[in-house]
Amino acid sequence: GAGVSQSPSNKVTEKGKDVELRCDPISGHTALYWYRQSLGQGLEFLIYFQGNSAPDKSGLPSDRFSAERTGGSVSTLTIQRTQQEDSAVYLCASSRDIHVGDTQYFGPGTRLTVL
Amino acid sequence: AQKITQTQPGMFVQEKEAVTLDCTYDTSDPSYGLFWYKQPSSGEMIFLIYQGSYDQQNATEGRYSLNFQKARKSANLVISASQLGDSAMYFCAMRAASGGSYIPTFGRGTSLIVHP
Repeated sequence: GAGVSQSPSNKVTEKGKDVELRCDPISGHTALYWYRQSLGQGLEFLIYFQGNSAPDKSGLPSDRFSAERTGGSVSTLTIQRTQQEDSAVYLCASSRDIHVGDTQYFGPGTRLTVL
Repeated sequence: AQKITQTQPGMFVQEKEAVTLDCTYDTSDPSYGLFWYKQPSSGEMIFLIYQGSYDQQNATEGRYSLNFQKARKSANLVISASQLGDSAMYFCAMRAASGGSYIPTFGRGTSLIVHP
């Protein structure tokens, strides 16, 4: 079946602009995660959604970052008033559920460049 | 608190040789899952192999095997018969139910270069 998809694949924006990044999880997966990966670095957890529960926003770096998940499927990560330090690859992942054995499957990522 | 440690920032291996990538973990939860991912230069994270904390046998998937030593809290990835296409970053990750949060923890990764 189809994997996790993300759009756009690349986004170049000017400092101060807002951006929206989209993630389509694997059909039937109840859990969806957003991560950020700066150049040459590991993964930084941002937020995750599980079913109809309130999202865990504990990783969001500032109130400029927000995310929503509509209908338990597609998710949008919004960054307001972008800064140069927001430049990174934003990865989305989904898993069937959130049990310890549930594997996360990742999308190809969105490379964000803030000029 | 959960922690994953990958102490090898870079590894080199000759094509067709085997290589071991180290991963140690720390958790107080008795139930946890350990995962390895491959990230080639294209950027996508590719799931390789999974080991559950209660699994009696080491996990294997084709040329990948996981050397799980529970008492030492290590979960090393072994790649047999290395291929040029194995050159990539490799991340070890763990998921446990710490405090009701199932957020996976990732290591900093190991860069593997396979020489012809």
